[in-house]
Amino acid sequence: DTAVSQTPKYLVTQMGNDKSIKCEQNLGHDTMYWYKQDSKKFLKIMFSYNNKELIINETVPNRFSPKSPDKAHLNLHINSLELGDSAVYFCASSPQGVGYTFGSGTRLTVV
Amino acid sequence: DAKTTQPTSMDCAEGRAANLPCNHSTISGNEYVYWYRQIHSQGPQYIIHGLKNNETNEMASLIITEDRKSSTLILPHATLRDTAVYYCIVRPSNSGGYQKVTFGIGTKLQVIP
Repeated sequence: DTAVSQTPKYLVTQMGNDKSIKCEQNLGHDTMYWYKQDSKKFLKIMFSYNNKELIINETVPNRFSPKSPDKAHLNLHINSLELGDSAVYFCASSPQGVGYTFGSGTRLTVV
Repeated sequence: DAKTTQPTSMDCAEGRAANLPCNHSTISGNEYVYWYRQIHSQGPQYIIHGLKNNETNEMASLIITEDRKSSTLILPHATLRDTAVYYCIVRPSNSGGYQKVTFGIGTKLQVIP
């Protein structure tokens, strides 16, 4: 009964590959997000979607393409992976008035 | 982008109250103060939020100063499981997905046996 679930939990891949991370929320929230936590531990927003509509695209390289097939899902596809993409990626969701619920994260390592 | 400042780290003895401060001197009238924590490399967990009145729930209490420029998160009886990084952020409560919220470095709370 995980509220926000993302898969996979760990992802190790070579430079240049294309990979996807999936996220699903069963909370009925209207808004979903992707956050990136780098080695310095800053949690920075990458994208937000409100009812499947892209709201925020925060200066992220266009190698990153989010897709929201419905308001319960927000997937992240990354093309041509680079070493600097190594980080922990968190999916989150929120209703209008309260705080975020985060997934458990996907640790991406590009080698 | 973070609109809050917090001490980088704090220690607290197990069983004692942990008081975590946060400055948000540029907070707007419609912005709430939210607190989250991140244990190890898990996803951040919502703790509490408030606008101007003090708030309490089963996890913690939130004290907001009258001028709303600072707040304190209180964990009344800290346990070892409260060791985590605590983030204080401000955002409008009804911002939906429109608010670009970045979590700062937060305060690393170490609860000591």
